Amino acid sequence: SQTIHQWPATLVQPVGSPLSLECTVEGTSNPNLYWYRQAAGRGLQLLFYSVGIGQISSEVPQNLSASRPQDRQFILSSKKLLLSDSGFYLCASRWGGGTGELFFGEGSRLTVL
Amino acid sequence: GIQVEQSPPDLILQEGANSTLRCNFSDSVNNLQWFHQNPWGQLINLFYIPSGTKQNGRLSATTVATERYSLLYISSSQTTDSGVYFCAVNNAGNMLTFGGGTRLMVKP
Repeated sequence: SQTIHQWPATLVQPVGSPLSLECTVEGTSNPNLYWYRQAAGRGLQLLFYSVGIGQISSEVPQNLSASRPQDRQFILSSKKLLLSDSGFYLCASRWGGGTGELFFGEGSRLTVL
Repeated sequence: GIQVEQSPPDLILQEGANSTLRCNFSDSVNNLQWFHQNPWGQLINLFYIPSGTKQNGRLSATTVATERYSLLYISSSQTTDSGVYFCAVNNAGNMLTFGGGTRLMVKP
């Protein structure tokens, strides 16, 4: 099965500062990659997904952006953080398109002060 | 898009009790997964079950695709079963749609 690594695990940042969260995947090639955010401790909101290098689809308008510079690397960024960007960010990977099994990384907890 | 509803939203059990969690979805699916989010936030894969029945220890799941629902059974619950259980489905394209989750607390 796949292994998804995320870092940093915890981050406290001031409003207006930049952000970079990284996700790397082991055990598969050419996966679909996803960034989710969990703000309220329950629901998962899909932010971005990617089906290949340099291909990014955004699900919601926001202050964040994503990039996929390598096949198994997915990065979530912001130039200037807002208070509302606080939350738990989860990277996920799936091989095999729509019928493949989705696996999650450990998550990155972001607090914007 | 497809709608996914989970019930109950919250559940409190005494250790050793059994429970059934339900996931209803509004359209046909080609992928259904159950996840457990532990108190530390980690999402753990429980079942990949677009149809049929599977069992893994004290947990089992059944998906009746023609009637658009899936059930997760937890038997002899333990405190470590506490957390949030999510159902997620895929009916087209590359995205899974998640339900709102069932928050389970198992008391010793």
